[in-house]
Amino acid sequence: EAEVAQSPRYKITEKSQAVAFWCDPISGHATLYWYRQILGQGPELLVQFQDESVVDDSQLPKDRFSAERLKGVDSTLKIQPAELGDSAMYLCASSLGTSGTSYEQYFGPGTRLTVT
Amino acid sequence: GESVGLHLPTLSVQEGDNSIINCAYSNSASDYFIWYKQESGKGPQFIIDIRSNMDKRQGQRVTVLLNKTVKHLSLQIAATQPGDSAVYFCAETHGGTYKYIFGTGTRLKVLA
Repeated sequence: EAEVAQSPRYKITEKSQAVAFWCDPISGHATLYWYRQILGQGPELLVQFQDESVVDDSQLPKDRFSAERLKGVDSTLKIQPAELGDSAMYLCASSLGTSGTSYEQYFGPGTRLTVT
Repeated sequence: GESVGLHLPTLSVQEGDNSIINCAYSNSASDYFIWYKQESGKGPQFIIDIRSNMDKRQGQRVTVLLNKTVKHLSLQIAATQPGDSAVYFCAETHGGTYKYIFGTGTRLKVLA
């Protein structure tokens, strides 16, 4: 069964350092999402891509976060500089994203970030 | 503002009993609802979905009920098993935006 891949699974970094996360969506999925999930809470959307274009980044802290999906396939989320409050699980999800069809999003295993 | 919330943060049930997890939403324009299961250290896993033109949908051991009048969603799990122990999230979206709004989650504990 096809899955969303993410790496690394765990990352520990010191504050003010740069950190990057990678996501490879399910093949053929046009829409890719990055979420942040604080322990005990539901995921919160950071950015949504349709192919290589950003559809929604209204919740992305653009002073320190950036995301790209240059070829419309895999994606990278970067934080620079990391702050203590960035400690969370970063989840990637993908969906077919075709209008009128399934909305179902498939999630990857996530990257657990700890900022010290 | 828009919100999706859950009435109970933790639910404990005996193995073999039925579980009911509830969710309230505030956006009457929401037209698609999803339940996800998340085990510790893993990403959310799709369980079942329902569109606003339905009031009930059944899957394997799970049933989702939608009451648009009171903006309430529930997930029923029949014959709860130890493997059902996890945090359950409801999410809603509307207007073909594909943007999910997740609730806080309910932790289900299955007692042997």
